[in-house]
Order: sequence, then C-alpha cells, then structure tokens
Amino acid sequence: AQTVTQSQPEMSVQEAETVTLSCTYDTSESDYYLFWYKQPPSRQMILVIRQEAYKQQNATENRFSVNFQKAAKSFSLKISDSQLGDAAMYFCAWGRGGNTPLVFGKGTRLSVIA
Amino acid sequence: GAGVSQSPRYKVAKRGQDVALRCDPISGHVSLFWYQQALGQGPEFLTYFQNEAQLDKSGLPSDRFFAERPEGSVSTLKIQRTQQEDSAVYLCASSHLDTQYFGPGTRLTVL
Repeated sequence: AQTVTQSQPEMSVQEAETVTLSCTYDTSESDYYLFWYKQPPSRQMILVIRQEAYKQQNATENRFSVNFQKAAKSFSLKISDSQLGDAAMYFCAWGRGGNTPLVFGKGTRLSVIA
Repeated sequence: GAGVSQSPRYKVAKRGQDVALRCDPISGHVSLFWYQQALGQGPEFLTYFQNEAQLDKSGLPSDRFFAERPEGSVSTLKIQRTQQEDSAVYLCASSHLDTQYFGPGTRLTVL
C-alpha cells in the first residue's frame, strides 16, 4: 500500500523568508502524481502545486516550488518570500492519477511570524 | 465557475441519529470523492463515483455509511445510527485531469 510521510508536524518561518516542508512517500508504481494542498482554518483544501512523476523538471507556481527526487521518493515544498497568508496546514498527497483516490500525509502546520 | 460546495458546513447530531451530508461538484466533473478527516489528521478516502456509478467504496468504515450520486452530479453521504467515533470533517472532491478540487467540508460532531 502507498504511504505518505510528513515528518515535521509544525514549522515556523519569518515573514519574507524561505521555508521548506518535507514529504516522503512509498510506492512500487512508476507513474503517479504528487500534490501539495494547503488547508487554512476555513478547512477549504486548496491545491498549491502538482507534479507528474514522469516529468524530471520540478514544478513551480509563483512563490511555491518543489524538489522532486524520484529515486529517493522525496517531494519537498519550498515557499519563498513567505507571507502571513501562507499560514495553514500543508498536506502532501500521492495519487495514481486517472481519477483514483489520493493518499495523504498527516500534515505540517506552518506558522508565519511577522 | 463555482467550486465544490458542501452542506451543511456544521452538523451536530445526537448519538444514534441519522445524518445526510450533501456535495455539489464542479459542473462537468465526472469523478467525485468522499474523504473523512479526523482531528489533526490528513484526509482518508471513503468512496468514489464516476458519474452515477460507485466504483470504489473500500474506505467506508462500516455498513452504517452509505453514499449515492443518482444523477451523476450531486452526491449525498449518509451515516445511520451515528456514533461518537464518526465525529470528523467530511470532505468532498471532484476531479478533472488527474487533479482533485475540494469543497469546504462538513464538520460533524456526534454527542
């Protein structure tokens, strides 16, 4: 069975600084997708970034980028120029694609200090 | 267009009551998922629909949980004879091109 591990229950970062959230996963499959979702206190799960495993190039979305290491089964999220609005729970998720269920990690709570 | 919507946002039930949670997916999304999120945990898969067909219900924790999507759009998750361990946030997601988009969830509290 696929598993996703987020080893940092909580992280904090100063406003305007950079922070990296860790995620590792375990799968025997070669084709899959990886996601980072943000969940603020409102509970709305918001997609931050996605990565297709067959793509070697790391995905980026504005201030958000990933470091995808397929051999190491690692998928970390880097947030640059952190803003107060980035404070939330961040979940890493694995999916087989083709409209199949996602497997989530337990999340990392990110605090942003003004 | 509108995102995924869920209602009610909050539901308080007495133990033993039946509850029904509603999900309106993004228009045109064929696939719909239900997840359960316990306090301090990541979401866990419950069940999945493609159009009106329930293709996977392996995550439903007991036969008290039932989901339907009769016309391939709106879905309802029903929990019969609620128990305290059913207290959680129930998230619905619809999907397009391998990416799932989530609703705001329903927080169920069973007293």
